[in-house]
Amino acid sequence: GQNIDQPTEMTATEGAIVQINCTYQTSGFNGLFWYQQHAGEAPTFLSYNVLDGLEEKGRFSSFLSRSKGYSYLLLKELQMKDSASYLCAVRDVDGSARQLTFGSGTQLTVLP
Amino acid sequence: DTEVTQTPKHLVMGMTNKKSLKCEQHMGHRAMYWYKQKAKKPPELMFVYSYEKLSINESVPSRFSPECPNSSLLNLHLHALQPEDSALYLCASSRTSGAEAFFGQGTRLTVV
Repeated sequence: GQNIDQPTEMTATEGAIVQINCTYQTSGFNGLFWYQQHAGEAPTFLSYNVLDGLEEKGRFSSFLSRSKGYSYLLLKELQMKDSASYLCAVRDVDGSARQLTFGSGTQLTVLP
Repeated sequence: DTEVTQTPKHLVMGMTNKKSLKCEQHMGHRAMYWYKQKAKKPPELMFVYSYEKLSINESVPSRFSPECPNSSLLNLHLHALQPEDSALYLCASSRTSGAEAFFGQGTRLTVV
């Protein structure tokens, strides 16, 4: 089984930096994904971590610590369009089947 | 082509109707997924097809019946649905099971 925890809501100011945390407990960890989802739209892939450390991609960075069951998504130079739900998803392995399980998402509101 | 295309975008159906949701991708992905998403909730995995074979069925009621006619197409047949089945139904695909998933825009289903 899996348990994935994220804060429900966060608010930040345009131009600022925000860190969205995700903790997980899983029986067979095989990678962690971050997705962005705007209201009424499909989730879009942001980042993927399978080894410990920081992955940077433009204004977005994601960090993973497997020993702590912890990840964060860092958003820099926030823009109004970054207001969205951010979903942490953990991939686990159950026999030969691998699947993603999503956390409940963090609703980020960027204020002017 | 990096798109997952879902049709229809919106569907309203009665509880005695039979309808089908369709999903198509031409990225050569060998895993395809159906997710159900209620408002302000994360996507919940329903089915996984890997190499055109059903590999995961997350205890979904039999009124939902998936079908994978070929490696590019995924259908979800609906019959005798309940109002609580109203949700956004998302199709996704990935290179292999558990890899980075690309989502379609979803079908907004309303059961009346």
